Amino acid sequence: DAKTTQPNSMESNEEEPVHLPCNHSTISGTDYIHWYRQLPSQGPEYVIHGLTSNVNNRMASLAIAEDRKSSTLILHRATLRDAAVYYCILSFGSNYKLTFGKGTLLTVNP
Amino acid sequence: GAVVSQHPSRVICKSGTSVKIECRSLDFQATTMFWYRQFPKKSLMLMATSNEGSKATYEQGVEKDKFLINHASLTLSTLTVTSAHPEDSSFYICSAKGGDQPQHFGDGTRLSIL
Repeated sequence: DAKTTQPNSMESNEEEPVHLPCNHSTISGTDYIHWYRQLPSQGPEYVIHGLTSNVNNRMASLAIAEDRKSSTLILHRATLRDAAVYYCILSFGSNYKLTFGKGTLLTVNP
Repeated sequence: GAVVSQHPSRVICKSGTSVKIECRSLDFQATTMFWYRQFPKKSLMLMATSNEGSKATYEQGVEKDKFLINHASLTLSTLTVTSAHPEDSSFYICSAKGGDQPQHFGDGTRLSIL
């Protein structure tokens, strides 16, 4: 499986934008990029996913580099409820398996 | 949005007991369901993948006779931890996928074996 690399932790301030980076230099042409987040003692929550083009939804935006070797999850205005571990995951084509790495622990300061 | 319900949320039982955990997709048909395990301060580890009506596919190192998975309908999968021992204590999480939808996760089951 293609691997992803994320910073262990990041901090942001409330109501400011947050850019969470993810490197995936070995991504293949059919790998989708998924982002999930997990609060303590809860299951992961789907955030967004994409293949080649940038994606927007009500939760976040996903910016995918032109060579697809990196991507950035953008939270436009962080709130305290956005504090969580964020996972960037690649899935191969129609193989739906998700392999979770260590993720990025996002702390949001009031 | 898609909702996945997992029950029970917490169970405490004696060593040697078998424990069943249910995972239901409430508003969509889940052709594929997944079971994960998560130890404290660690990431989720995939245990098995199950497709409706067929046998589950287990990840390397996961004992299929220890962790019995049934996916008899498009909305329900169960995980039974047989003859549970303290080392089986963990946070078990299911997810479900249907059609073009991404995987959606349940809220997990905290299993504690005394």
